[in-house]
Amino acid sequence: EAGVTQSPTHLIKTRGQQATLRCSPISGHTSVYWYQQALGLGLQFLLWYDEGEERNRGNFPPRFSGRQFPNYSSELNVNALELEDSALYLCASSPLGYLYGYTFGSGTRLTVV
Amino acid sequence: AQSVAQPEDQVNVAEGNPLTVKCTYSVSGNPYLFWYVQYPNRGLQFLLKYITGDNLVKGSYGFEAEFNKSQTSFHLKKPSALVSDSALYFCAVRDGGYGGATNKLIFGTGTLLAVQP
Repeated sequence: EAGVTQSPTHLIKTRGQQATLRCSPISGHTSVYWYQQALGLGLQFLLWYDEGEERNRGNFPPRFSGRQFPNYSSELNVNALELEDSALYLCASSPLGYLYGYTFGSGTRLTVV
Repeated sequence: AQSVAQPEDQVNVAEGNPLTVKCTYSVSGNPYLFWYVQYPNRGLQFLLKYITGDNLVKGSYGFEAEFNKSQTSFHLKKPSALVSDSALYFCAVRDGGYGGATNKLIFGTGTLLAVQP
């Protein structure tokens, strides 16, 4: 069974540009979660999608947005990139429900220069 | 609001010795607790979870965790550490909300485990 896949692995952007990160969940998982892991800041919750809808959002500005497609894959968009957006962005998936943990992808390393 | 705390930024242990990585939690209602491990430049890997039942939970790679309700703790343990256990360890708790089924995981700040040969 394929795991959670994220693309691209690395992404280098210039300040002010837009970045698009993609995530494919495990087959059968309807929930997709996005986390930001910046150096020294742990994992910060960004977004949760389930069945195509945004279910919860972390404390991030509106320039962080995303969506979930009918096949449950998801993309995260970051507009007007700032230097402090440089981080590892992790996607995870799970079935809906409190009994389940997450399965994480390997992440996208975003560098803003 | 639910939260977890990992009081130690780093834990150092010699190979072959027992290890403990500490986690305390604060929840309203039943706690659903998880441990994950992260190797350099990788995503997080699931180790174990506590939902209900026995207070001692066994997980992957020989790890176990002890749930202690009176001390609101969920410490990760291993009887004999390996150099390959060196990694970043995260404790997490399920958040509440959304029609009774919880949604996001709230992670601790992580503890770096360093196992010396």
